Amino acid sequence: DAGVIQSPRHEVTEMGQEVTLRCKPISGHDYLFWYRQTMMRGLELLIYFNNNVPIDDSGMPEDRFSAKMPNASFSTLKIQPSEPRDSAVYFCASSFDSPYSEQYFGPGTRLTVT
Amino acid sequence: AQSVTQLDSQVPVFEEAPVELRCNYSSSVSVYLFWYVQYPNQGLQLLLKYLSGSTLVESINGFEAEFNKSQTSFHLRKPSVHISDTAEYFCAVGANEKLTFGTGTRLTIIP
Repeated sequence: DAGVIQSPRHEVTEMGQEVTLRCKPISGHDYLFWYRQTMMRGLELLIYFNNNVPIDDSGMPEDRFSAKMPNASFSTLKIQPSEPRDSAVYFCASSFDSPYSEQYFGPGTRLTVT
Repeated sequence: AQSVTQLDSQVPVFEEAPVELRCNYSSSVSVYLFWYVQYPNQGLQLLLKYLSGSTLVESINGFEAEFNKSQTSFHLRKPSVHISDTAEYFCAVGANEKLTFGTGTRLTIIP
């Protein structure tokens, strides 16, 4: 398996623009997680899905953030409108059958909002 | 809610010397404990985990961690480090169906 795939790897955008981050989890994994990593706040869980259903979105910062998982092999994280404070590395991870099973992380998307 | 504290943001160690990376947690419920490692420009990888049973857990590359319930700690140790161990190490606590990560400790190996 190719592992968790994220695109794009880097994104530079201007404040106010819409940003869409994409993730393909490992085939057969039931759980998908979106994390954000910054120097100030470390690694934060934004939202996670089980069998394509959002389970916990308590970490989503505000209404500007939304996430979807239309099928078992694809998820998106959208920010609209983007702000400079959204600049971070966004990781997608997946696990087989539990949040406590090994989480496999993608390479991340580095987002810069100017 | 649960939280994780990694007191040391950076730890420099000479090659072949021992190292300990500290991790303390707080939680009102029973927890599972994890160490993940992040090499430069990569995502995190699981290093080892404690779910139940023996409180001492080991990884395949020589790291070990011991769950100490009374001290609410899960410190990571290695008796002799190598240049290839240079990375950032994250402690995490699992509770309420999710993981909460610490802020990370950057391990730098000095040749």
